[in-house]
Amino acid sequence: QVHLVQSGPEVKKPGASVKVSCKASGYSFDNYGISWVRQAPGQGLEWMGWISAYNGDTNYAQQFQGRVTMTTDTSTSTAYMELRSLRSEDTAVFYCARVSFNFIGVFQYNWFDPWGQGTLVTVSS
Amino acid sequence: DTQMTQSPSSLSASVGDRITITCRSSQTINNYLNWYQQKPGKAPKLLIYAASTLQSGVPSRFSGSGSGTDFTLTINSLQPEDCATYYCQQSYDTPRYTFGQGTKLEIK
Repeated sequence: QVHLVQSGPEVKKPGASVKVSCKASGYSFDNYGISWVRQAPGQGLEWMGWISAYNGDTNYAQQFQGRVTMTTDTSTSTAYMELRSLRSEDTAVFYCARVSFNFIGVFQYNWFDPWGQGTLVTVSS
Repeated sequence: DTQMTQSPSSLSASVGDRITITCRSSQTINNYLNWYQQKPGKAPKLLIYAASTLQSGVPSRFSGSGSGTDFTLTINSLQPEDCATYYCQQSYDTPRYTFGQGTKLEIK
């Protein structure tokens, strides 16, 4: 069974950094990418970026460029998301999700499944 | 980046009703459109990918349609457990993905 298990809640001060982990099991880790999604309290889903577990290629949403780094450790099937220069607006639940795919004809379709359980990051002085 | 706009932002319906949620993209995305359901305190769950393909295990009362820029999620015969927030997501710009702002569904 495919699972993503994230690290526990964090409390950080403004200006600090946080690193969230996402451990995968039940599938070949380097065959898929991982995306990260932020959800502020009472708000919608915001895509942060993507990393290939195969070669480490990344693609970050513009609003996080320069502040986020996504990495993977294939030896432990774990993905990481580090967010720096935290501010109060970064208080949110952060999710990792496997970027799954399938082919319909010659076309590849991607979606997020499964998701991790989410990690609450609270930024407060 | 492709922007996704959902409507309505919220709706209220009764058990047994049929409801439709609309998602519009700022540029054509063919049928690279996914739908998710999120219940309070839980991670989102995939319902539909490629605009109309039902994910395994998802009840058949859920269906999706559309292509180009306009898409719909329909739930037939609403059940109490369908109370949730629904999000569309484009995967045309892979590996850049964007979500709609969500539609909160309340069961009367």
